[in-house]
Amino acid sequence: KQEVTQIPAALSVPEGENLVLNCSFTDSAIYNLQWFRQDPGKGLTSLLLIQSSQREQTSGRLNASLDKSSGRSTLYIAASQPGDSATYLCALSGAGSYQLTFGKGTKLSVIP
Amino acid sequence: DAGVTQSPTHLIKTRGQHVTLRCSPISGHKSVSWYQQVLGQGPQFIFQYYEKEERGRGNFPDRFSARQFPNYSSELNVNALLLGDSALYLCASSLLAPGAVKAFFGQGTRLTVV
Repeated sequence: KQEVTQIPAALSVPEGENLVLNCSFTDSAIYNLQWFRQDPGKGLTSLLLIQSSQREQTSGRLNASLDKSSGRSTLYIAASQPGDSATYLCALSGAGSYQLTFGKGTKLSVIP
Repeated sequence: DAGVTQSPTHLIKTRGQHVTLRCSPISGHKSVSWYQQVLGQGPQFIFQYYEKEERGRGNFPDRFSARQFPNYSSELNVNALLLGDSALYLCASSLLAPGAVKAFFGQGTRLTVV
């Protein structure tokens, strides 16, 4: 059974700082990995999707990497802004599976 | 273009009652999935429908059921509600099976069981 862990559970940084969020998983037989953002009480916004054959994806100030052999993904946020404050979730789909398995998320607070 | 639409946005029900939640996917998307998110946890997979057929079911009791209609919209039904069913219910839409392509989520339905 795939297990997804996100550490830390919460993170507080000053505005302008670069930061890294971590996601680890137990089964490397994944199809793809997605990073989502969730604002309080709201739905999920898809940020980046990395196919299992890829190593990284970039969108604006966001960069996500994937290392299947070590069971890890990281989400790098450059020059953080107060508007980046939210919970960030990673989710994986396994080979042959239609479901996404989520971590519990990292709650990010960017202090002005 | 409209995103994934869920209704209602909030709902309060009494234990033992039945509830129906609705989801309209992005136009052209044929796959709909349902997730339950309890406060402080990541979403848990309930069901996935693709081309109107159930393609996956999570570890939820038979009180939970769903269906997808010819226009690809979907309903999630929960019978005999328990206090523990209180959660944010999320619907995800994707062009193909969600494991293969990016999934787009609605704003969710907040269900409170009292």
